[in-house]
Amino acid sequence: DTGVSQDPRHKITKRGQNVTFRCDPISEHNRLYWYRQTLGQGPEFLTYFQNEAQLEKSRLLSDRFSAERPKGSFSTLEIQRTEQGDSAMYLCASNRDVQSSGNTIYFGEGSWLTVV
Amino acid sequence: GENVEQHPSTLSVQEGDSAVIKCTYSDSASNYFPWYKQELGKGPQLIIDIRSNVGEKKDQRIAVTLNKTAKHFSLHITETQPEDSAVYFCAAYDQTGANNLFFGTGTRLTVIP
Repeated sequence: DTGVSQDPRHKITKRGQNVTFRCDPISEHNRLYWYRQTLGQGPEFLTYFQNEAQLEKSRLLSDRFSAERPKGSFSTLEIQRTEQGDSAMYLCASNRDVQSSGNTIYFGEGSWLTVV
Repeated sequence: GENVEQHPSTLSVQEGDSAVIKCTYSDSASNYFPWYKQELGKGPQLIIDIRSNVGEKKDQRIAVTLNKTAKHFSLHITETQPEDSAVYFCAAYDQTGANNLFFGTGTRLTVIP
């Protein structure tokens, strides 16, 4: 069990560019979540997957944001035409679904995005 | 939707003293309450959690209590150490409804040596 892994850890990009973050969840975790966290705030939910199906999206996820989990394992979060307001830490988390004995949600170390 | 409030926003204690952080939630359907510790530049790390069928849980120096009737839960850290200094977040989760965690706004704990 290597934990939730995120890449890259840091990304600086110019406004208007596209960026993509990758998340590898804990193996055998079929649920995967994306959160966004700005300085001084708690994480805010963006979206989550049950296996490869994207089951819920927050209103925070504008049409410039897209997330995929094509094979039910790793996931990518893409932000198109980045804006300065997108600067934040993007957190990935995973857990087993609620049918299992445990539903503890574990977070990765996050991907810091700075839009200049 | 769920609304989680957390107090205080900052807390300073002397090394060896206890620290208490309190949270309230609004949705009575929430049934899982984790606490996370976040150090600068890192992701949240789960330190303890409690489910709605339990009133109290303890793990060494850390304990959490839950009052379902009043919809509040608290984190207690005893014999604080400088390495306990971090931002702590409470969260609430409804496993039968909105399938995501709702976080409090965080408490910055400083343990003074």
